[in-house]
Amino acid sequence: KNEVEQSPQNLTAQEGEFITINCSYSVGISALHWLQQHPGGGIVSLFMLSSGKKKHGRLIATINIQEKHSSLHITASHPRDSAVYICAVYGIIQGAQKLVFGQGTRLTINP
Amino acid sequence: DSGVTQTPKHLITATGQRVTLRCSPRSGDLSVYWYQQSLDQGLQFLIQYYNGEERAKGNILERFSAQQFPDLHSELNLSSLELGDSALYFCASSRTSGRDYSYNEQFFGPGTRLTVL
Repeated sequence: KNEVEQSPQNLTAQEGEFITINCSYSVGISALHWLQQHPGGGIVSLFMLSSGKKKHGRLIATINIQEKHSSLHITASHPRDSAVYICAVYGIIQGAQKLVFGQGTRLTINP
Repeated sequence: DSGVTQTPKHLITATGQRVTLRCSPRSGDLSVYWYQQSLDQGLQFLIQYYNGEERAKGNILERFSAQQFPDLHSELNLSSLELGDSALYFCASSRTSGRDYSYNEQFFGPGTRLTVL
């Protein structure tokens, strides 16, 4: 079983829709990181969270430590938001202090 | 642009060969991390260096090794390459080591795409 599970694995929506991507984890963590990977492969850091909620432009990330769950929301989605979104948790996992990644959510926004 | 640079961008080689991937961290960052992203495994942590010393090890094969030099750039050496080593290799950097279990945001380089034929 993966320590980090994301849902959905694939998501297709129309421009303007409100998008939610979920991340659940099963280990104790000190932080959670949301990343965006573009079709060309580059990885961009979106948010780093240890509690509560953060907002940047049209992106909002929340985390519930007790429920071991985080969500990434995109408001007024746009085709340029099409990418793979990856949740990663940081903690002592399998005996090493490291980032462990979810499998990613592939988001496609159609015009 | 994250400020982390990686060279080369693409590398094509044959089974059994050895390659070296290079990473320069953001200015001021002392920690360097290496990750492998393959189609079937997703992103996986390989190894971390902090100020020249190995700090944490993940799923790194014995055929792979890394080091961080006094100028803080890092190299990942992959030897006796197999077809299954074909992947994207990312380097990331952060300010600190995380020795106190705190997490400093990691910034990722553009990656090196390795193809083993």
